[in-house]
Amino acid sequence: EAGVAQSPRYKIIEKRQSVAFWCNPISGHATLYWYQQILGQGPKLLIQFQNNGVVDDSQLPKDRFSAERLKGVDSTLKIQPAKLEDSAVYLCASSSTGTVSYEQYFGPGTRLTVT
Amino acid sequence: GDSVTQMEGPVTLSEEAFLTINCTYTATGYPSLFWYVQYPGEGLQLLLKATKADDKGSNKGFEATYRKETTSFHLEKGSVQVSDSAVYFCALSAGTLTFGKGTMLLVSP
Repeated sequence: EAGVAQSPRYKIIEKRQSVAFWCNPISGHATLYWYQQILGQGPKLLIQFQNNGVVDDSQLPKDRFSAERLKGVDSTLKIQPAKLEDSAVYLCASSSTGTVSYEQYFGPGTRLTVT
Repeated sequence: GDSVTQMEGPVTLSEEAFLTINCTYTATGYPSLFWYVQYPGEGLQLLLKATKADDKGSNKGFEATYRKETTSFHLEKGSVQVSDSAVYFCALSAGTLTFGKGTMLLVSP
């Protein structure tokens, strides 16, 4: 079974530029998550999708971050414009349901450096 | 709000030593508790979980017991290997996952 795929793996941009990350979850997984992991900290949930609807985006900085999950499969996370403090690893995860105890499967992440 | 506190690392051990990584949590209600592991260059992997008080999660020689009275979920392993070197995250879920800051484990031969 293929795991969660993310691209690109690394990205370096200057502040005020825009960037987009892509995630392909495990086939059949209805729930998709985007996390931000700043160096030395644990991952922080940015947004959760159930199929193509948003379940929780309370911690997403909506003035600069946006995410979509068209057709309930792949997802894209965008930052526009980027700030220095957005430097982090962006993790995508998926699970078969949204039930609290169900395992989330994580992708390898995209490491973003904003200079 | 919900929070998880882990012991700071790095934890440095020799092979075959006993491992304990402390984790305590603050949450309303009765969350599920998890340990995730992140090997260098890889994504997080679920190591073990416990969904109710007194449950013991175990996997690959690692164990953790859900202690409601002390709000703890300490990770233990009787004999660590070099291949266990990684960052370990304690997490709780009462709807969404809340992670601790992670503890790096370094095991030397």
